[in-house]
Amino acid sequence: IVLTQSPGTLSLSPGERATLSCRASQSVTSSYLAWYQQKPGQAPRLLIYGASIRATGIPDRFSGGGSGTDFTLTISRLEPEDFAVYYCHQYGSSPRTFGGGTKVEI
Amino acid sequence: QVQLQQSGPGPVKPSQTLSLTCAISGDSVSSNSAAWNWIRQSPSRGLEWLGRTYYRSQWSNDYAVSVKSRITINPDTSKNQISLQLNSVTLEDTAVYYCAREITINRGVLNPLDSWGQGTLVTVSS
Repeated sequence: IVLTQSPGTLSLSPGERATLSCRASQSVTSSYLAWYQQKPGQAPRLLIYGASIRATGIPDRFSGGGSGTDFTLTISRLEPEDFAVYYCHQYGSSPRTFGGGTKVEI
Repeated sequence: QVQLQQSGPGPVKPSQTLSLTCAISGDSVSSNSAAWNWIRQSPSRGLEWLGRTYYRSQWSNDYAVSVKSRITINPDTSKNQISLQLNSVTLEDTAVYYCAREITINRGVLNPLDSWGQGTLVTVSS
């Protein structure tokens, strides 16, 4: 399954709302869709799995939604530490695949 | 809390073998509720899953088709770690390599990757 993320870059200010999109080339089984945050020089960090379930310790300003082929990650109010690259990831079909990423920049 | 500590050489010459290890703390490589994966990341290929090993009354492996003829992932229960070997490397194998835990939330299907190693930059160059 090919995952296409948009936009490629999102330029926003702290306090603003960010909406990131992930579109799959075919339906993602059981909404097995995850979102990761990656900062320079660091490994990806799990934010959301099952399309909408926040991972342990993830602030509630992060929320995920969608089903089928269209999914979104919303950051309700951007904090300075949220500026990073975000990846969607489907694990409903083998092989698991990742999107190309959306960079959220100041 | 699980921690994954990667080790292994960075530079590798073309046609040689890439070897990395991933030491696990806070969980067991033999856990029935986890699988242990290798993923790599490069500017040209993005994040690419390579393979995994897991124990469910016996050991099993799954590998990506793109590397299946060249890859081996092995568990080491005595050291509680996994290893990655990728044979006959080329310049295209240059990437940051990560190990990651796949936590079993739903049995019989794939699950999300919830903990990652720190990453190892492997450069294939003569």
